[in-house]
Amino acid sequence: EAQVTQNPRYLITVTGKKLTVTCSQNMNHEYMSWYRQDPGLGLRQIYYSMNVEVTDKGDVPEGYKVSRKEKRNFPLILESPSPNQTSLYFCASSLSPGAGELFFGEGSRLTVL
Amino acid sequence: AQSVSQHNHHVILSEAASLELGCNYSYGGTVNLFWYVQYPGQHLQLLLKYFSGDPLVKGIKGFEAEFIKSKFSFNLRKPSVQWSDTAEYFCAVNIYNFNKFYFGSGTKLNVKP
Repeated sequence: EAQVTQNPRYLITVTGKKLTVTCSQNMNHEYMSWYRQDPGLGLRQIYYSMNVEVTDKGDVPEGYKVSRKEKRNFPLILESPSPNQTSLYFCASSLSPGAGELFFGEGSRLTVL
Repeated sequence: AQSVSQHNHHVILSEAASLELGCNYSYGGTVNLFWYVQYPGQHLQLLLKYFSGDPLVKGIKGFEAEFIKSKFSFNLRKPSVQWSDTAEYFCAVNIYNFNKFYFGSGTKLNVKP
């Protein structure tokens, strides 16, 4: 089954404790991206990757890092989480940005205390 | 930065009523357009998309959307809504040859049985 898998789905952590949210897709998609969803703001792009070792900033990259060492995986790293990073995070993939729609993961709800 | 505007933040309808949700974007060049739906507690799923050709596109579950280039709009319509259409709807734009997707802030639709 074609899917985008995120882990963890729910996480409560404390300020400053590094965490990683994993994302994996099994569709051999080249394009992967991360979004955060906040009430009234819709989805905002954090980072995206066109292919292995090719990443770039989205609209809200501050406080986040990403890596793309394998085509299928695109982890989101919060080196020192802060309360303003409490949000719902979605990973998504696409064959390429101009060729098709985004396929989304189930979401990861993060709370930073 | 490009913007996507959804005019209605919260819409309440009775079953069998007609639906139209507005979406406008700010980019003047070639765009790919999407409507996504997010059912409560779920990830985003594609409703329909427009890349080129006939500006009236049909999607799943009886939804359709019309692209009006002169108005920079891509409004979503459904002739008769059902209770199961209760969800949040997001308009999204991908600028051709660029690698970013831009989302509107979403419209919450509540259909009363």
